[in-house]
Amino acid sequence: EAGVAQSPRYKIIEKRQSVAFWCNPISGHATLYWYQQILGQGPKLLIQFQNNGVVDDSQLPKDRFSAERLKGVDSTLKIQPAKLEDSAVYLCASSSGLPGLATNEKLFFGSGTQLSVL
Amino acid sequence: AQSVTQLDSHVSVSEGTPVLLRCNYSSSYSPSLFWYVQHPNKGLQLLLKYTSAATLVKGINGFEAEFKKSETSFHLTKPSAHMSDAAEYFCVVIRSPGKLTFGTGTRLTIIP
Repeated sequence: EAGVAQSPRYKIIEKRQSVAFWCNPISGHATLYWYQQILGQGPKLLIQFQNNGVVDDSQLPKDRFSAERLKGVDSTLKIQPAKLEDSAVYLCASSSGLPGLATNEKLFFGSGTQLSVL
Repeated sequence: AQSVTQLDSHVSVSEGTPVLLRCNYSSSYSPSLFWYVQHPNKGLQLLLKYTSAATLVKGINGFEAEFKKSETSFHLTKPSAHMSDAAEYFCVVIRSPGKLTFGTGTRLTIIP
């Protein structure tokens, strides 16, 4: 089966510029996640979608980050304006899980977008 | 709150020797624990998962992990390291469906 697709693979911008990342999950997967992985750290959940609705965005810096999944399939994550500390790999993941399923639901990750803010 | 602590940020072993990557967890109840592997420029891949069915869990590529409640540990092991095992390994606890809390990672280096 096709995996989780992300683009671009790399992005270099200057601080205060805006940037957008795209993710296409595995076909049929209802749940989509965006994670931020800063160098030397484990990934941290930014936002979780269930179909086209937000389930959890408690860790999303909403003053500069936004995300949408309008048709319940692919998703975009935007940063505007970017700061130096936003330099990280942004990972998209998906799962077939629905609310109430077991906590051992498997997530499938994309290869990520590596963002460098100069 | 549930969390995991990976005790080593970097582990180096010679090819053909055993691998031990250590992880301790903190949880007020029986947790769901995973190990993920991240090869350079590739997505995170699930190695194995513990869901209370058996304390010794076998995963892909010859890896296994043992859940020890008395020690609050979930260490990852492999009897014989291969060059292709060089990667970053993450211990993960599940807070709720789909909500993963990652450890800080252990970088495994294999010495030829």
